[in-house]
Amino acid sequence: EAQVTQNPRYLITVTGKKLTVTCSQNMNHEYMSWYRQDPGLGLRQIYYSMNVEVTDKGDVPEGYKVSRKEKRNFPLILESPSPNQTSLYFCASSLSVGGSYSPLHFGNGTRLTVT
Amino acid sequence: RKEVEQDPGPFNVPEGATVAFNCTYSNSASQSFFWYRQDCRKEPKLLMSVYSSGNEDGRFTAQLNRASQYISLLIRDSKLSDSATYLCVVNRGTGGFKTIFGAGTRLFVKA
Repeated sequence: EAQVTQNPRYLITVTGKKLTVTCSQNMNHEYMSWYRQDPGLGLRQIYYSMNVEVTDKGDVPEGYKVSRKEKRNFPLILESPSPNQTSLYFCASSLSVGGSYSPLHFGNGTRLTVT
Repeated sequence: RKEVEQDPGPFNVPEGATVAFNCTYSNSASQSFFWYRQDCRKEPKLLMSVYSSGNEDGRFTAQLNRASQYISLLIRDSKLSDSATYLCVVNRGTGGFKTIFGAGTRLFVKA
């Protein structure tokens, strides 16, 4: 089954404790992206990757890191989480077709709480 | 001003009603357009792509007006199962490929 898999689904942590949210897709998609969703603000892009070893900042990258060492994986790293990073996070991927991109496929989401 | 703006609603409509959502975008470099549906606390799912010529999928019709920079979604014969948040989504390629989401319009369909 074609899918984007995020783990964990729920995570409660404390300020300053490094964490990683994993994202993996089995569709051989070039493009992967991370979003956070907060009430009233909609989904905002954190980082994206257009292919292996190619990553770029989205609109809200502060406090986050990513890497794209393999095509299928795109982990999101919070080196020192803070309470303002409490949010619902989504990973997504899409296929590059002739310079444009197919619609996004989303993972199930990770609900992160930082106390 | 947000790059993609939607009326947050909520829209409360009876079953069988026709409801229309509009969305405006400010970046003329925007290249492709979509409507996604999101149920509470779940991942967004593609409802339909939006083409310049307009397109229809069953009870759903999407329109794009590039000159005025707005996108619309029309839902006919609303069902209870249509209750969800509808997200207007715009892709643009200037300065890297980015997907911009509207904050969403909430729809409640009542019996």
